[in-house]
Amino acid sequence: KQEVTQIPAALSVPEGENLVLNCSFTDSAIYNLQWFRQDPGKGLTSLLLIQSSQREQTSGRLNASLDKSSGRSTLYIAASQPGDSATYLCASRDDKIIFGKGTRLHILP
Amino acid sequence: GAVVSQHPSRVICKSGTSVKIECRSLDFQATTMFWYRQFPKQSLMLMATSNEGSKATYEQGVEKDKFLINHASLTLSTLTVTSAHPEDSSFYICSATRQGRNTEAFFGQGTRLTVV
Repeated sequence: KQEVTQIPAALSVPEGENLVLNCSFTDSAIYNLQWFRQDPGKGLTSLLLIQSSQREQTSGRLNASLDKSSGRSTLYIAASQPGDSATYLCASRDDKIIFGKGTRLHILP
Repeated sequence: GAVVSQHPSRVICKSGTSVKIECRSLDFQATTMFWYRQFPKQSLMLMATSNEGSKATYEQGVEKDKFLINHASLTLSTLTVTSAHPEDSSFYICSATRQGRNTEAFFGQGTRLTVV
């Protein structure tokens, strides 16, 4: 059974800093991995999708990497802004889409 | 990206009644849909996976007779919470994917269910 873990559970950093969020999964036989953000009381916003054959994906200030063999993915956020404050979720996909518990990110102005 | 519409966004119902939540893929054919529930400040827990034209596959601990899932067409799946109780109050989110295991998952906006 796939288990997805996200570390840290919560993170507060000053505005402007670069930061890394971590995601690990127990079964490396995934098809892809997706990163999302969720604002309080809202739905999910897809950020990046990495296929199992890919190593990384970039979108603006976001960069996600995937090391399938070690069961790890990271989300790198450059030059953080207060608007980046949200919960970030990673989800692995095989026959199911399984989510981690998320990292609650707070960017201090 | 593709659009998944979930309706209603909020619903309040009385204990003992049933509530139906719709999930529609607006601009693509969704061969597989997933249903999740999310309790406050917790992550999304997978309830069931449904493939068009087939019976849904429920996760362990999810009562299939209580949470009825229908995926009768390539653009619509419904989740019916039967005989709702206050403990069923939660945030329900659907996801839809095109055919193919490596396709991107698109999510609805979620439905906030409150049972009083």
